[in-house]
Amino acid sequence: DAMVIQNPRYQVTQFGKPVTLSCSQTLNHNVMYWYQQKSSQAPKLLFHYYDKDFNNEADTPDNFQSRRPNTSFCFLDIRSPGLGDAAMYLCATSEDRGTTEAFFGQGTRLTVV
Amino acid sequence: DAKTTQPNSMESNEEEPVHLPCNHSTISGTDYIHWYRQLPSQGPEYVIHGLTSNVNNRMASLAIAEDRKSSTLILHRATLRDAAVYYCILRMGGGSNYKLTFGKGTLLTVNP
Repeated sequence: DAMVIQNPRYQVTQFGKPVTLSCSQTLNHNVMYWYQQKSSQAPKLLFHYYDKDFNNEADTPDNFQSRRPNTSFCFLDIRSPGLGDAAMYLCATSEDRGTTEAFFGQGTRLTVV
Repeated sequence: DAKTTQPNSMESNEEEPVHLPCNHSTISGTDYIHWYRQLPSQGPEYVIHGLTSNVNNRMASLAIAEDRKSSTLILHRATLRDAAVYYCILRMGGGSNYKLTFGKGTLLTVNP
């Protein structure tokens, strides 16, 4: 059974039109991550939540925002998608220590037209 | 953040063992060595992790050098399904640096 679920798997949005990607987990992990992965590149961490505390990476554009209304759900909001934001977006969860594994969703492939 | 260095790509033949190296010369005493892999068009998946001792699980083995400055992921008999990008990542056991940050990884090609 999938433990980290991302919806939708594929999303097409228009240039400049706000879009929201969602992630849910059944693991009750206190940390949730969002990554951007472009073709043939490694996943790039955008930000993560430790419980309700939001931690932004220094080079994440302001165009990307996130919400975590409760432990189970986390959302990625792209306020004004540009063509360069087309990518795979990955959600992951973990406990707040490196002694345990992290779990990833299958990703949402975002296309901007 | 402590960094890791991996070869860009490696090639193996089916049913042969594969040794994927990772260098982490700036590893700290509380950093765990994690390996994840990403199959085409899928999210990354956990493979194995360890601190000091060698580790085995159903997927692979992890051999950690005595000085912990390098490690090797061992796939005992590669299959075509093992073709993926393999990432070696350091995560602190406790404290504030628990986040998962990816390096470039090694693209493993398995030949039939």
